[in-house]
Amino acid sequence: DAGVTQSPTHLIKTRGQQVTLRCSPKSGHDTVSWYQQALGQGPQFIFQYYEEEERQRGNFPDRFSGHQFPNYSSELNVNALLLGDSALYLCASSGQGGRETQYFGPGTRLLVL
Amino acid sequence: AQSVTQLDSHVSVSEGTPVLLRCNYSSSYSPSLFWYVQHPNKGLQLLLKYTSAATLVKGINGFEAEFKKSETSFHLTKPSAHMSDAAEYFCVVRGGGGGNKLTFGTGTQLKVEL
Repeated sequence: DAGVTQSPTHLIKTRGQQVTLRCSPKSGHDTVSWYQQALGQGPQFIFQYYEEEERQRGNFPDRFSGHQFPNYSSELNVNALLLGDSALYLCASSGQGGRETQYFGPGTRLLVL
Repeated sequence: AQSVTQLDSHVSVSEGTPVLLRCNYSSSYSPSLFWYVQHPNKGLQLLLKYTSAATLVKGINGFEAEFKKSETSFHLTKPSAHMSDAAEYFCVVRGGGGGNKLTFGTGTQLKVEL
């Protein structure tokens, strides 16, 4: 049984560009959450998707947007990249609408130059 | 609002000695609490969770944590440290804001010396 998978593993972009990160949840999970982990810090909640809708959002600007597909996979999009967006982006999946334990993928390391 | 405070940013122990990583929580209702571990350049792995069942929770790799409501604490312990335990440990609370988001502590870096 595959766990949570994310792609790509690493990404380099320049300021002002746009990026799309992808996440496939663990089998049987219906909820996907995204977190940003800056270097030396704990992960910060970006948003959570359930039934193809954003159900909860953290304190992130509108440049951060997402999508969930019918197969429960998800994308995180970041527009107008800033240097400060450089971080490890973690996806977590859970079952029962998010009431179950969240399991994390390996993350996508984004570097903005 | 839900929050957790990890009381030590760095902990150093000798191999074979006990480990204690401290965490206090703040919650307006009975919380769901977790400990996750992150090895260098890796994702987060669940160590254990408390969801209002037994107050002493056993996790993977010999770790356990005790939920103490009177002290609002959820400290992580292990009787004997191993070199492979060296990693960053996060205390986490779930919920708040009307949803199931996870709120992480600032992390404790565990160093294990020979």
